[in-house]
Amino acid sequence: TQLLEQSPQFLSIQEGENLTVYCNSSSVFSSLQWYRQEPGEGPVLLVTVVTGGEVKKLKRLTFQFGDARKDSSLHITAAQPGDTGLYLCAGQSGGSYIPTFGRGTSLIVHP
Amino acid sequence: DAGVTQSPTHLIKTRGQQVTLRCSPKSGHDTVSWYQQALGQGPQFIFQYYEEEERQRGNFPDRFSGHQFPNYSSELNVNALLLGDSALYLCASSLHQPPYEQYFGPGTRLTVT
Repeated sequence: TQLLEQSPQFLSIQEGENLTVYCNSSSVFSSLQWYRQEPGEGPVLLVTVVTGGEVKKLKRLTFQFGDARKDSSLHITAAQPGDTGLYLCAGQSGGSYIPTFGRGTSLIVHP
Repeated sequence: DAGVTQSPTHLIKTRGQQVTLRCSPKSGHDTVSWYQQALGQGPQFIFQYYEEEERQRGNFPDRFSGHQFPNYSSELNVNALLLGDSALYLCASSLHQPPYEQYFGPGTRLTVT
């Protein structure tokens, strides 16, 4: 059973389009991280959110943590080919400090 | 500031053999975690080492073992390799305090034939 559900699983868009990917769970998370992973490489940490309702921006990427700390979203504005990769969310819950990862959203941005 | 390093980058082994993977954590980090990532999946937690002890373990058999050295570097050992052990093995380092952010190495691609 996947504790963290990510959607969509796959996304193929044209350069310049906007997109949103989601990370949902029935569990409450003390903190949640978003990573981007390129093929054959390790995940790279993008952001950590810890407060319900928190919004963080990283250039064209906007991350939001749900008020109840059970879900999160990542919005990319004007996507570029360099945004291509696997976007993973991971969260700590139930007092554990070990993050559980979702299966990821595979994004391809065509030039 | 050196990030997490792993060696080797690629490895091909035969079923039944044993393998050792190595990891050096990011400078200043004291905790090392190991993950297995199959194609199309998110990383699955194997175990975590802190203060040279295994602190937590995921749902992996005893064939998977590890070690942490005084300089915080770590090894992952897998015995009696199975075809299903073929995967990308990721090492992540962190501080042993909230929010426990994991910084990953580039991984070791293990192929078992």
